[in-house]
Amino acid sequence: DAGVIQSPRHEVTEMGQEVTLRCKPISGHDYLFWYRQTMMRGLELLIYFNNNVPIDDSGMPEDRFSAKMPNASFSTLKIQPSEPRDSAVYFCASSLLLDGWTQYFGPGTRLLVL
Amino acid sequence: KQEVTQIPAALSVPEGENLVLNCSFTDSAIYNLQWFRQDPGKGLTSLLLIQSSQREQTSGRLNASLDKSSGRSTLYIAASQPGDSATYLCAVSRGSNYKLTFGKGTLLTVNP
Repeated sequence: DAGVIQSPRHEVTEMGQEVTLRCKPISGHDYLFWYRQTMMRGLELLIYFNNNVPIDDSGMPEDRFSAKMPNASFSTLKIQPSEPRDSAVYFCASSLLLDGWTQYFGPGTRLLVL
Repeated sequence: KQEVTQIPAALSVPEGENLVLNCSFTDSAIYNLQWFRQDPGKGLTSLLLIQSSQREQTSGRLNASLDKSSGRSTLYIAASQPGDSATYLCAVSRGSNYKLTFGKGTLLTVNP
């Protein structure tokens, strides 16, 4: 199994631009999580899905952030417009209902907003 | 609001030493606690999970303990190796909804 796949691995953009981060969960997993990691705040849960349906988005910082999961094999996290304080590493993780507490993390996308 | 603290933020030890990493949490009403490992530039890997009704879990050279009443957990690493060098994070959950609150981690360096 290829594991959780995230793209791009690195993204550098200018303030005000739209950023789209992508995630392919492990095949057969029915939970998908988006996290953000910064030095100041550590690792924070932004949103998670079950069977493609958003369950809890209380961690999404502002309306500039949105996430979708159009099918079981693909999810996006979009920031529009981006700001320098959005610079962070964004992780996607997936898990299986029967083993839900074991989350498998992707390698992350390192985002830098100038 | 649940807060998770890990002390120390960084730790450097010589190879072969036994060591303890600490994690404390403010709300003792947790569902479970997990310890993760994060290598530079990579995602997290789950190491051990302790249910709220358990006191400890072991995997190889790793042993994690949980004291809910005092809001503390420790991760014991026996006979440390250079390959153990990584950041170790603990995370707690309040309910059965898979939401985790993470500490900021302890950066461990094991010197050969």
